[in-house]
This record gives sequence, C-alpha cells and structure tokens, in this order.
Amino acid sequence: KQEVTQIPAALSVPEGENLVLNCSFTDSAIYNLQWFRQDPGKGLTSLLLIQSSQREQTSGRLNASLDKSSGRSTLYIAASQPGDSATYLCAVSTGANSKLTFGKGITLSVRP
Amino acid sequence: KAGVTQTPRYLIKTRGQQVTLSCSPISGHRSVSWYQQTPGQGLQFLFEYFSETQRNKGNFPGRFSGRQFSNSRSEMNVSTLELGDSALYLCASSRGGDFDEQYFGPGTRLTVT
Repeated sequence: KQEVTQIPAALSVPEGENLVLNCSFTDSAIYNLQWFRQDPGKGLTSLLLIQSSQREQTSGRLNASLDKSSGRSTLYIAASQPGDSATYLCAVSTGANSKLTFGKGITLSVRP
Repeated sequence: KAGVTQTPRYLIKTRGQQVTLSCSPISGHRSVSWYQQTPGQGLQFLFEYFSETQRNKGNFPGRFSGRQFSNSRSEMNVSTLELGDSALYLCASSRGGDFDEQYFGPGTRLTVT
C-alpha cells in the first residue's frame, strides 16, 4: 500500500528565503507525482507534475525534483513571498486509473 | 477554458439525511475522481469514473456512491449522513490516462449536524 509522508507539518520562514519542501513515498512504482497548493478552505491548485521518467520540472520560482529509486521528491521555492503562504501537498499516482495518494501536507507561513 | 466546477459550495445537513454533490469536469476530460478531505485523515480517495463507468474505488462504506453522465458530469451521493461525514469534498478531472494531470475543483463543504 502506497504511503506518502511530508515532514515537517508546518514551516515558518522570513520573506526572501529559499526553501525546500520534502515528500517521501514508499512504493517507487509510480506513474507521476504532483505538487499542489491549497489555500485555507479552498480547492487544490496544481503546481507541478513530474512524470515517472522525468527528474525535475520548473515553473517560475518553483522547481520540483523526483528521485523514484529513493522514493523522494522535493519542491524548491526561490525567494519566498508572503503570498506563498499556503499548504503544499504532494500526491503520487501509483495504480492505474487516476487514483492519487496524498501526503498530509506542509503548511507554510512566510513572514513579511 | 473553464476549470472544474462543483455545486453547491456549502451544505448543512442533519444526521440521517442524504446529500447529492455535483461536479462538472473541464471540457474534454472524461475522468472524474472524488476525494474526501478532513483534518484528521487528510485527502482520501473515494472513487473514479471514466466514460460513465466506475473504474476505481476507495475504502469507504456503501453509503457513498456516485455516477457519471454521458456529458462526463458526475454526482456523488451520501446516504444516512453521520457526523463524521462532515468534510470538504473535492472532485478532480483529467483526460483519464494513467499519466495525466489531475485538476481539482473548489470543493463542497459539507457540515452534518
């Protein structure tokens, strides 16, 4: 059974800091991995999708890497801003047919 | 291109009642998945529909059911509501392939009193 872990559960950093959010999963037989952002009480916004054959993806100040063999992914946020404050979730697609298994998320607070 | 829409956005129901939630996927997407999000359990997969057929199912009791229509819109029904069903219910749509990106709607906040 696939399990996804995100540690720590919460993180507080000053504005401008570069930061790394970690995600680990137990079953390396994944189709892809997605990073999402969730604002309080809202739905999920897809940030980056990494296919199983890829090592990383970039979008603006965000960079996500994937190491399937070790069961790890990292989301790098450059020059953090208060607007980056949100919960960041990673999810892996393991079985067929679109099912995602989620971590519990990391709640990020960027202090002005 | 319009995103995933969910209606209603908020619902308050009483224990024992039933409820129906609706999800309209992105145009051209044939797969709709449903998730329950609670503070304690996080996001848990309920089921997935593709071309009007349930392809995948999570570990939820039979009180949770769903269906998909020919236009790919999906509904989720919960019967005999319990207090523990209070949650944010999210749907996601995709083209339906194993490698496809999932796009989520804003969710329906269900409160059971």
